[in-house]
Amino acid sequence: AQSVTQLDSQVPVFEEAPVELRCNYSSSVSVYLFWYVQYPNQGLQLLLKYLSGSTLVKGINGFEAEFNKSQTSFHLRKPSVHISDTAEYFCAVSENNQGGKLIFGQGTELSVKP
Amino acid sequence: DARVTQTPRHKVTEMGQEVTMRCQPILGHNTVFWYRQTMMQGLELLAYFRNRAPLDDSGMPKDRFSAEMPDATLATLKIQPSEPRDSAVYFCASGPSRAVYSYNEQFFGPGTRLTVL
Repeated sequence: AQSVTQLDSQVPVFEEAPVELRCNYSSSVSVYLFWYVQYPNQGLQLLLKYLSGSTLVKGINGFEAEFNKSQTSFHLRKPSVHISDTAEYFCAVSENNQGGKLIFGQGTELSVKP
Repeated sequence: DARVTQTPRHKVTEMGQEVTMRCQPILGHNTVFWYRQTMMQGLELLAYFRNRAPLDDSGMPKDRFSAEMPDATLATLKIQPSEPRDSAVYFCASGPSRAVYSYNEQFFGPGTRLTVL
């Protein structure tokens, strides 16, 4: 069965510093990978996705993620964060024979301090 | 700007009462998902539909929860009777779908925050 592990529940960081949010998954078949962001009292919004092709994926708001098949990881990065990036970030996996069903990690709370 | 809408946004009810949450998917989307979010369990998939037919509701407690799509513009999630442990934020998401093997992007609604006293 597929599963997603987000290794850090909270990540505090100062404004303009780089950040990496870690995500590992397990699956026996090919997968699609996603990062979603949730701002307070809102629904989830898609940041970026990996479907196939280039392992480096760029998303909105300056975020990018790299798919590493050998390490079964899909870590999210941003070279310089802003206060407005403070939110909860969810990694998700979908097996390519599951019709879009997503399994989410537990989430990482990113807190950007001035 | 097409969005998934959910009503009500907040619901406070007493244990034993029936709760109905509604979702209007984005026009043209034929896949609808229901999720529950709690601090302890995170985001859990409860059920999902394609072309109004339930595909998977294995994440849903069958004795008290039911999910339906009366038509293409409305999905409902009912809890009867409600219990305090049902307190959570319930999200609906919709997406386009072409085939069971294709990728689906999911667009989330703002959620219904349910409190059962």
